[in-house]
Amino acid sequence: QQQVKQSPQSLIVQKGGIPIINCAYENTAFDYFPWYQQFPGKGPALLIAIRPDVSEKKEGRFTISFNKSAKQFSLHIMDSQPGDSATYFCAASRTYSGAGSYQLTFGKGTKLSVIP
Amino acid sequence: EPEVTQTPSHQVTQMGQEVILRCVPISNHLYFYWYRQILGQKVEFLVSFYNNEISEKSEIFDDQFSVERPDGSNFTLKIRSTKLEDSAMYFCASRDRERSTGYTFGSGTRLTVV
Repeated sequence: QQQVKQSPQSLIVQKGGIPIINCAYENTAFDYFPWYQQFPGKGPALLIAIRPDVSEKKEGRFTISFNKSAKQFSLHIMDSQPGDSATYFCAASRTYSGAGSYQLTFGKGTKLSVIP
Repeated sequence: EPEVTQTPSHQVTQMGQEVILRCVPISNHLYFYWYRQILGQKVEFLVSFYNNEISEKSEIFDDQFSVERPDGSNFTLKIRSTKLEDSAMYFCASRDRERSTGYTFGSGTRLTVV
């Protein structure tokens, strides 16, 4: 019930391509879905996040698509660049009052390589 | 930009020894967390801390683990009697206020138990 399943495990795209990373969740109590970017030797950094009351959110070249009925969400990176090469984690959390600590449940991560 | 600072960046310890991992959260943040990431695996929640007490913990966070905020700036994770399977990257994180969802993670401490 607490799992977040992420795919693919790794992804190689050419510069300018549009990598898509998918996540699925089971717990319908989740109401906050962030994506984190992690470079080697660094901690995860918040990239973009969405709540289930919208189906899409864009920030710069990053877009989250959200399908509440399917319990799935995905990250699209437009015009990908070699500097986007990193590991990307989806996550989910419950954030309504009384839910406790807003702990994050992470997916297993996708290692993205963008080839020049 | 404010940062969460973790020390040391890498610690090697012998099995059975105690280790203390240190974190300095962002100064005006109120909620503190420890997560861990075993090599090649997902980031896992360990514990959250608010108002000088544990607010939530996972099943991973057993009696071997403890957390403390000994002063106004530091937040520590103590692992008693380390085991080989405790080898992982440990991330500290903080969050500023009740309705805020944005975590700031530190760069992590890589713990190697030999």
